[in-house]
Amino acid sequence: EAQVTQNPRYLITVTGKKLTVTCSQNMNHEYMSWYRQDPGLGLRQIYYSMNVEVTDKGDVPEGYKVSRKEKRNFPLILESPSPNQTSLYFCASSLRGLAGEGYTDTQYFGPGTRLTVL
Amino acid sequence: GQNIDQPTEMTATEGAIVQINCTYQTSGFNGLFWYQQHAGEAPTFLSYNVLDGLEEKGRFSSFLSRSKGYSYLLLKELQMKDSASYLCAVMDSNYQLIWGAGTKLIIKP
Repeated sequence: EAQVTQNPRYLITVTGKKLTVTCSQNMNHEYMSWYRQDPGLGLRQIYYSMNVEVTDKGDVPEGYKVSRKEKRNFPLILESPSPNQTSLYFCASSLRGLAGEGYTDTQYFGPGTRLTVL
Repeated sequence: GQNIDQPTEMTATEGAIVQINCTYQTSGFNGLFWYQQHAGEAPTFLSYNVLDGLEEKGRFSSFLSRSKGYSYLLLKELQMKDSASYLCAVMDSNYQLIWGAGTKLIIKP
Protein backbone atom coordinates (compact mmCIF):
# COMPACT_ATOMS: atom_id res chain seq x y z
CA GLU A 1 0.00 0.00 0.00
CA ALA A 2 1.33 3.42 -1.03
CA GLN A 3 1.74 5.50 2.08
CA VAL A 4 3.68 7.99 4.18
CA THR A 5 4.42 6.81 7.70
CA GLN A 6 5.50 8.82 10.71
CA ASN A 7 6.75 7.75 14.12
CA PRO A 8 5.96 8.31 16.85
CA ARG A 9 2.32 9.35 16.50
CA TYR A 10 2.26 10.91 19.94
CA LEU A 11 5.14 12.21 22.03
CA ILE A 12 5.35 14.06 25.32
CA THR A 13 8.82 15.30 26.20
CA VAL A 14 10.59 17.91 28.26
CA THR A 15 12.40 21.08 27.27
CA GLY A 16 15.88 20.48 25.93
CA LYS A 17 15.68 16.73 25.37
CA LYS A 18 16.67 15.99 21.79
CA LEU A 19 14.14 14.07 19.73
CA THR A 20 13.68 12.74 16.22
CA VAL A 21 10.43 12.19 14.35
CA THR A 22 10.85 9.74 11.51
CA CYS A 23 9.11 9.95 8.15
CA SER A 24 9.19 7.33 5.43
CA GLN A 25 7.43 6.98 2.07
CA ASN A 26 7.25 3.93 -0.19
CA MET A 27 6.23 5.68 -3.42
CA ASN A 28 9.70 6.58 -4.70
CA HIS A 29 8.82 10.25 -4.38
CA GLU A 30 11.54 12.84 -4.86
CA TYR A 31 9.92 15.67 -2.90
CA MET A 32 9.37 15.48 0.86
CA SER A 33 8.30 18.14 3.30
CA TRP A 34 7.61 18.79 6.98
CA TYR A 35 4.75 20.97 8.21
CA ARG A 36 3.45 22.04 11.57
CA GLN A 37 -0.21 22.76 12.20
CA ASP A 38 -1.38 24.97 15.04
CA PRO A 39 -4.95 26.00 15.95
CA GLY A 40 -6.11 29.05 14.00
CA LEU A 41 -3.12 28.96 11.69
CA GLY A 42 -2.64 27.32 8.33
CA LEU A 43 -0.12 24.58 7.74
CA ARG A 44 3.35 26.06 7.90
CA GLN A 45 6.25 24.48 6.12
CA ILE A 46 9.35 23.78 8.20
CA TYR A 47 11.75 22.22 5.71
CA TYR A 48 11.51 20.52 2.38
CA SER A 49 13.72 18.33 0.22
CA MET A 50 13.72 18.09 -3.55
CA ASN A 51 15.85 14.93 -3.57
CA VAL A 52 18.56 13.03 -1.71
CA GLU A 53 21.05 15.36 -0.01
CA VAL A 54 19.04 18.44 -1.09
CA THR A 55 17.17 20.26 1.68
CA ASP A 56 15.82 23.80 1.99
CA LYS A 57 14.24 25.93 4.67
CA GLY A 58 10.53 26.55 4.61
CA ASP A 59 8.66 29.29 6.43
CA VAL A 60 9.47 28.30 10.04
CA PRO A 61 12.80 26.40 10.16
CA GLU A 62 14.16 27.81 13.43
CA GLY A 63 14.75 25.11 16.04
CA TYR A 64 14.52 22.23 13.55
CA LYS A 65 16.93 20.18 11.49
CA VAL A 66 16.37 17.62 8.75
CA SER A 67 18.41 15.23 6.69
CA ARG A 68 17.79 13.30 3.46
CA LYS A 69 20.35 10.54 3.19
CA GLU A 70 17.98 8.16 1.44
CA LYS A 71 15.12 8.88 -0.91
CA ARG A 72 12.47 7.24 1.25
CA ASN A 73 13.36 8.81 4.63
CA PHE A 74 13.17 12.40 5.84
CA PRO A 75 13.57 12.65 9.63
CA LEU A 76 12.81 15.81 11.58
CA ILE A 77 15.19 16.57 14.43
CA LEU A 78 14.58 18.89 17.36
CA GLU A 79 17.96 19.35 19.02
CA SER A 80 16.64 21.26 22.02
CA PRO A 81 12.83 21.29 22.01
CA SER A 82 10.98 24.17 23.62
CA PRO A 83 7.30 24.54 24.60
CA ASN A 84 6.58 26.72 21.55
CA GLN A 85 7.31 23.67 19.41
CA THR A 86 4.29 21.90 20.85
CA SER A 87 2.27 21.23 17.73
CA LEU A 88 0.87 18.69 15.28
CA TYR A 89 3.51 17.75 12.72
CA PHE A 90 2.89 16.33 9.26
CA CYS A 91 5.31 14.86 6.80
CA ALA A 92 4.29 14.90 3.15
CA SER A 93 5.69 13.68 -0.14
CA SER A 94 5.04 14.13 -3.84
CA LEU A 95 6.47 12.65 -6.99
CA ARG A 96 8.61 15.50 -8.31
CA GLY A 97 7.80 18.65 -6.39
CA LEU A 98 4.76 20.82 -5.82
CA ALA A 99 4.63 22.08 -9.40
CA GLY A 100 6.74 23.02 -12.36
CA GLU A 101 6.47 23.63 -16.06
CA GLY A 102 3.28 21.92 -17.14
CA TYR A 103 2.64 19.79 -14.09
CA THR A 104 1.38 19.86 -10.54
CA ASP A 105 1.92 17.01 -8.12
CA THR A 106 -0.42 16.05 -5.33
CA GLN A 107 1.08 15.88 -1.88
CA TYR A 108 0.44 12.77 0.21
CA PHE A 109 0.46 13.38 3.93
CA GLY A 110 1.50 11.13 6.78
CA PRO A 111 -0.86 10.53 9.71
CA GLY A 112 0.70 13.24 11.88
CA THR A 113 2.74 13.38 15.08
CA ARG A 114 1.29 15.20 18.04
CA LEU A 115 4.20 16.61 20.04
CA THR A 116 3.94 18.16 23.50
CA VAL A 117 7.00 19.84 25.01
CA LEU A 118 6.70 20.52 28.74
CA GLY B 1 2.22 40.06 2.89
CA GLN B 2 0.55 36.92 1.62
CA ASN B 3 -2.84 36.04 2.98
CA ILE B 4 -5.50 33.36 2.60
CA ASP B 5 -8.93 33.95 4.17
CA GLN B 6 -11.58 31.34 4.84
CA PRO B 7 -14.47 31.29 7.30
CA THR B 8 -13.51 29.59 10.54
CA GLU B 9 -16.61 27.44 10.86
CA MET B 10 -19.79 26.63 8.94
CA THR B 11 -22.82 24.52 9.73
CA ALA B 12 -25.05 22.77 7.20
CA THR B 13 -27.75 20.11 7.12
CA GLU B 14 -27.40 16.58 5.81
CA GLY B 15 -28.57 16.40 2.19
CA ALA B 16 -28.14 20.13 1.60
CA ILE B 17 -25.55 22.13 -0.38
CA VAL B 18 -22.79 24.24 1.15
CA GLN B 19 -20.30 26.66 -0.38
CA ILE B 20 -16.98 27.33 1.35
CA ASN B 21 -15.25 30.50 0.18
CA CYS B 22 -11.57 31.28 0.01
CA THR B 23 -10.03 34.65 -0.88
CA TYR B 24 -6.35 35.16 -1.37
CA GLN B 25 -3.66 37.78 -1.80
CA THR B 26 -0.37 36.24 -2.84
CA SER B 27 2.82 37.09 -4.69
CA GLY B 28 1.88 35.53 -7.99
CA PHE B 29 -0.35 32.56 -8.60
CA ASN B 30 0.36 29.05 -9.81
CA GLY B 31 -2.80 27.31 -8.75
CA LEU B 32 -5.16 26.77 -5.85
CA PHE B 33 -5.72 23.54 -3.94
CA TRP B 34 -8.50 22.29 -1.71
CA TYR B 35 -7.80 19.61 0.88
CA GLN B 36 -10.12 17.82 3.28
CA GLN B 37 -8.95 17.06 6.81
CA HIS B 38 -10.97 14.97 9.24
CA ALA B 39 -10.30 15.64 12.90
CA GLY B 40 -7.01 14.14 14.01
CA GLU B 41 -6.16 12.91 10.52
CA ALA B 42 -3.96 13.95 7.63
CA PRO B 43 -5.15 16.32 4.90
CA THR B 44 -6.23 14.59 1.69
CA PHE B 45 -6.31 16.19 -1.76
CA LEU B 46 -9.69 17.24 -3.16
CA SER B 47 -9.09 19.55 -6.12
CA TYR B 48 -6.72 21.81 -8.01
CA ASN B 49 -7.66 24.88 -10.08
CA VAL B 50 -5.26 26.96 -12.13
CA LEU B 51 -7.64 28.35 -14.77
CA ASP B 52 -10.83 30.33 -14.18
CA GLY B 53 -14.01 28.36 -14.00
CA LEU B 54 -15.68 25.43 -12.35
CA GLU B 55 -14.18 21.95 -11.95
CA GLU B 56 -16.64 19.23 -10.98
CA LYS B 57 -15.79 15.95 -9.30
CA GLY B 58 -18.83 14.03 -8.22
CA ARG B 59 -20.49 15.75 -5.26
CA PHE B 60 -17.62 18.24 -4.96
CA SER B 61 -16.93 21.20 -7.27
CA SER B 62 -14.32 23.92 -7.07
CA PHE B 63 -14.48 27.35 -8.69
CA LEU B 64 -11.73 29.88 -9.35
CA SER B 65 -11.68 33.54 -10.35
CA ARG B 66 -8.10 34.73 -10.62
CA SER B 67 -9.07 38.36 -11.28
CA LYS B 68 -11.00 38.43 -7.99
CA GLY B 69 -8.55 36.34 -5.98
CA TYR B 70 -11.43 34.08 -5.08
CA SER B 71 -12.31 30.42 -4.99
CA TYR B 72 -15.07 28.32 -3.54
CA LEU B 73 -15.61 24.67 -2.81
CA LEU B 74 -19.18 23.47 -3.35
CA LEU B 75 -20.36 20.32 -1.63
CA LYS B 76 -23.68 18.84 -2.71
CA GLU B 77 -25.91 16.19 -1.13
CA LEU B 78 -24.08 16.57 2.13
CA GLN B 79 -23.36 13.43 4.14
CA MET B 80 -22.38 13.14 7.78
CA LYS B 81 -18.93 11.93 6.70
CA ASP B 82 -18.36 15.34 5.07
CA SER B 83 -17.93 16.81 8.55
CA ALA B 84 -14.30 17.90 8.40
CA SER B 85 -12.07 20.89 7.95
CA TYR B 86 -11.51 22.15 4.42
CA LEU B 87 -8.16 23.74 3.69
CA CYS B 88 -7.52 26.20 0.88
CA ALA B 89 -3.91 26.58 -0.30
CA VAL B 90 -2.45 28.82 -2.99
CA MET B 91 0.80 28.23 -4.84
CA ASP B 92 2.68 31.51 -5.26
CA SER B 93 5.13 32.61 -7.94
CA ASN B 94 7.95 30.67 -6.24
CA TYR B 95 5.86 27.48 -6.26
CA GLN B 96 5.52 27.65 -2.48
CA LEU B 97 2.19 26.77 -0.91
CA ILE B 98 0.43 29.32 1.27
CA TRP B 99 -2.23 27.69 3.44
CA GLY B 100 -5.42 29.07 4.88
CA ALA B 101 -6.34 28.19 8.46
CA GLY B 102 -9.16 25.96 7.27
CA THR B 103 -12.94 25.95 7.54
CA LYS B 104 -14.51 23.52 9.98
CA LEU B 105 -17.72 22.18 8.46
CA ILE B 106 -20.31 20.76 10.84
CA ILE B 107 -23.08 18.64 9.33
CA LYS B 108 -26.31 18.26 11.30
CA PRO B 109 -28.89 15.53 10.71
